[in-house]
Amino acid sequence: NAGVTQTPKFQVLKTGQSMTLQCAQDMNHNSMYWYRQDPGMGLRLIYYSASEGTTDKGEVPNGYNVSRLNKREFSLRLESAAPSQTSVYFCASSEASGVNGYTFGSGTRLTVV
Amino acid sequence: EDQVTQSPEALRLQEGESSSLNCSYTVSGLRGLFWYRQDPGKGPEFLFTLYSAGEEKEKERLKATLTKKESFLHITAPKPEDSATYLCAVQGDQSGGSYIPTFGRGTSLIVHP
Repeated sequence: NAGVTQTPKFQVLKTGQSMTLQCAQDMNHNSMYWYRQDPGMGLRLIYYSASEGTTDKGEVPNGYNVSRLNKREFSLRLESAAPSQTSVYFCASSEASGVNGYTFGSGTRLTVV
Repeated sequence: EDQVTQSPEALRLQEGESSSLNCSYTVSGLRGLFWYRQDPGKGPEFLFTLYSAGEEKEKERLKATLTKKESFLHITAPKPEDSATYLCAVQGDQSGGSYIPTFGRGTSLIVHP
């Protein structure tokens, strides 16, 4: 049982380049989330998808777009990367209410130079 | 707005030296308080959900307790393998049904042999 799988694990981009972070879960969860984690800032929500076909902005959505491709997959796209987007990105999933906690992926470490 | 404050930011213990981590919170209508463990280079791993004041949960050397204002994660006779960052999060009654939790910044625990 893989849980939440993120790809890639590491990525270096030049300023202005674009890329898509992929996330897939195999737990039949309705809700999926994208977070970024920076030193001293904790986990900050970028976007989330409460159910297939819906997406909503979180705390820090600027510079990002998301796609809920189906129930299993939720991708995060950086259209024009900036050094401020250097961070560790985590995808997570949960049952609809989230009261049983989230399952997180292992993260993508992104550096924008 | 929900708020979570964790203390201390960092804690160093000797193997076998019991201690507690604190999570103070303010939330409108608590639905759940969550504890996660995060190892370096990995995503957070769900430990517990506490739903109401007075509730306690245990897992190996960890015991989580909850009051109306704070939660404690008690670590009894810790071992080096308990070294990790421990994250606290709260989920409250939010308008629109989007039960997105608010995360604290974590306590970094190091247990020396």
